[in-house]
Amino acid sequence: AQKITQTQPGMFVQEKEAVTLDCTYDTSDQSYGLFWYKQPSSGEMIFLIYQGSYDEQNATEGRYSLNFQKARKSANLVISASQLGDSAMYFCAMREGYNQGGKLIFGQGTELSVKP
Amino acid sequence: GAVVSQHPSRVICKSGTSVKIECRSLDFQATTMFWYRQFPKQSLMLMATSNEGSKATYEQGVEKDKFLINHASLTLSTLTVTSAHPEDSSFYICSAIGRRGPQETQYFGPGTRLLVL
Repeated sequence: AQKITQTQPGMFVQEKEAVTLDCTYDTSDQSYGLFWYKQPSSGEMIFLIYQGSYDEQNATEGRYSLNFQKARKSANLVISASQLGDSAMYFCAMREGYNQGGKLIFGQGTELSVKP
Repeated sequence: GAVVSQHPSRVICKSGTSVKIECRSLDFQATTMFWYRQFPKQSLMLMATSNEGSKATYEQGVEKDKFLINHASLTLSTLTVTSAHPEDSSFYICSAIGRRGPQETQYFGPGTRLLVL
């Protein structure tokens, strides 16, 4: 069964507008972590934001925020004020269990294109 | 922040040869490193977990005799693709657990593009 689902293969957004990238997950663990990574065409995986399952507040990092809805098992990434440099693949990932060093399971990815 | 390097960044080899890829944590010690493979337009698939001083743990379906992993020190893990074939052509990415403020997270290397002719 797919544990991390990203239903948007591709998204377009106008420069300076906000965009939401969807991510839903499935786990029976009470303790888990959710991550978002950006992968530009160079291939490097860039860490964007993290949300722990026990964190009560939504995580924010600059223009990135994570809309965490635990009951719905969703962890959508919101990018505000999109920039041309935001064009890239975006991956949602989950780490199951309490061990922070645990392996990550990735979603299929969403290709974001920012239009000038 | 934590930095992970990989070498080489790209390699082209003939079918049947072996290729070694190095993954280094540059400013921190990593007892655990991970190796992923990514085909074009697809997601990252975990191949194995590399633990310093012990045998790697391979994911189901990954041939341990073909993808040899050695984690000889707290800053270096190597992946050797033995007797490479064209179907092994892929983007190989390593990651290491590092700390960013109070939170541990995985930091990824820049990846190695392998092309087997």
